[in-house]
Amino acid sequence: GAVVSQHPSRVICKSGTSVKIECRSLDFQATTMFWYRQFPKQSLMLMATSNEGSKATYEQGVEKDKFLINHASLTLSTLTVTSAHPEDSSFYICSVWRAGHTDTQYFGPGTRLTVL
Amino acid sequence: AQTVTQSQPEMSVQEAETVTLSCTYDTSENNYYLFWYKQPPSRQMILVIRQEAYKQQNATENRFSVNFQKAAKSFSLKISDSQLGDTAMYFCAFMRATGTASKLTFGTGTRLQVTL
Repeated sequence: GAVVSQHPSRVICKSGTSVKIECRSLDFQATTMFWYRQFPKQSLMLMATSNEGSKATYEQGVEKDKFLINHASLTLSTLTVTSAHPEDSSFYICSVWRAGHTDTQYFGPGTRLTVL
Repeated sequence: AQTVTQSQPEMSVQEAETVTLSCTYDTSENNYYLFWYKQPPSRQMILVIRQEAYKQQNATENRFSVNFQKAAKSFSLKISDSQLGDTAMYFCAFMRATGTASKLTFGTGTRLQVTL
């Protein structure tokens, strides 16, 4: 498998502020990480694919300037929600892709964001 | 584009009994992977089982096994000897086998309740 951490696990912020969420691959170097968003009682929605050392690839309908993704190292990707608004409140989950014989995505524990 | 369908929004099973969760998918790809992920109340996504499309043999992991029917594009999950800890949301997912990181396409999920 793979061990993935996310920080913080939950955050509450005021409308208009920016929030950074970290995703770390703890036991291997991850060239690719993914960021998902999950609304209550719904499935995961892919937001973007994060590749180390290059720009993220965003899914259709996801605002690049609002959800800034940085994958500066092989163990860390960050998602920054800029100028957050109540509609950005959600559960954000990252995953790391482990290549080779597993070719599997392993998920972090998620971050619950509440924007007041 | 790929689609994944889980037609059972909710299911219930008694402890120690067996339950089968259904999943169908649609794709024009020949090489791909299929997954079942479990999301308990903690919301941590946990890999349950993985199947490579080129393998005819059904994957098994302890009490969990799949019935993979490639021609019918069906991928059901069987949980034997159900335990209270199996209570969770179960997502079926599809991923193209490209040799590089690929997106996961998720179904809408099946909520499984294991009762005494």
